[in-house]
Amino acid sequence: NAGVTQTPKFRILKIGQSMTLQCAQDMNHNYMYWYRQDPGMGLKLIYYSVGAGITDKGEVPNGYNVSRSTTEDFPLRLELAAPSQTSVYFCASSYPTGLSYNEQFFGPGTRLTVL
Amino acid sequence: GENVEQHPSTLSVQEGDSAVIKCTYSDSASNYFPWYKQELGKRPQLIIDIRSNVGEKKDQRIAVTLNKTAKHFSLHITETQPEDSAVYFCAASVRGTASKLTFGTGTRLQVTL
Repeated sequence: NAGVTQTPKFRILKIGQSMTLQCAQDMNHNYMYWYRQDPGMGLKLIYYSVGAGITDKGEVPNGYNVSRSTTEDFPLRLELAAPSQTSVYFCASSYPTGLSYNEQFFGPGTRLTVL
Repeated sequence: GENVEQHPSTLSVQEGDSAVIKCTYSDSASNYFPWYKQELGKRPQLIIDIRSNVGEKKDQRIAVTLNKTAKHFSLHITETQPEDSAVYFCAASVRGTASKLTFGTGTRLQVTL
């Protein structure tokens, strides 16, 4: 298994440009998440999904959009990029077992700079 | 919503000493508390977790304790080694909320020779 994969690894955007960060997992996980990590800070949840066709906002959703058309893929869309969106973006997935919790597996991250 | 505070922000210990990182949470409904280790430029990786039905869990040199009454939990690393140097994050989650995690701000641990 490749686990959670993310593309691209690095990207520089100009203010106002748009882009899509790709995330895929091959572990048949229902739950997927997008986090951002600003320098020296913890991770903040942007959006999450509990299954194909179902998405919901996290703590910091403004300026982002997501879709979940398949179990495997969970792309994050940035519209009208702003310098405040400069960050490292991590995608994660987990497989809930009933009411118990399972580990969230993280992708390698995408380092985004908006100039 | 949940708020997780983590202390200290930086911690320097000598090789072989113990390190303790503490976190507090605000939502009494939180019942899952994982700890992640993040090496420079790498992804966070789970090192240990604890559920609210236990007070302590140990895995070799790493242990986590939970005090539900006081709403705090701690990570203990014994016999520290240089490879323990990294940023450690605590997190909390509430059952029934899609396993969403609220993270602390991280502790940078430096193990010196």
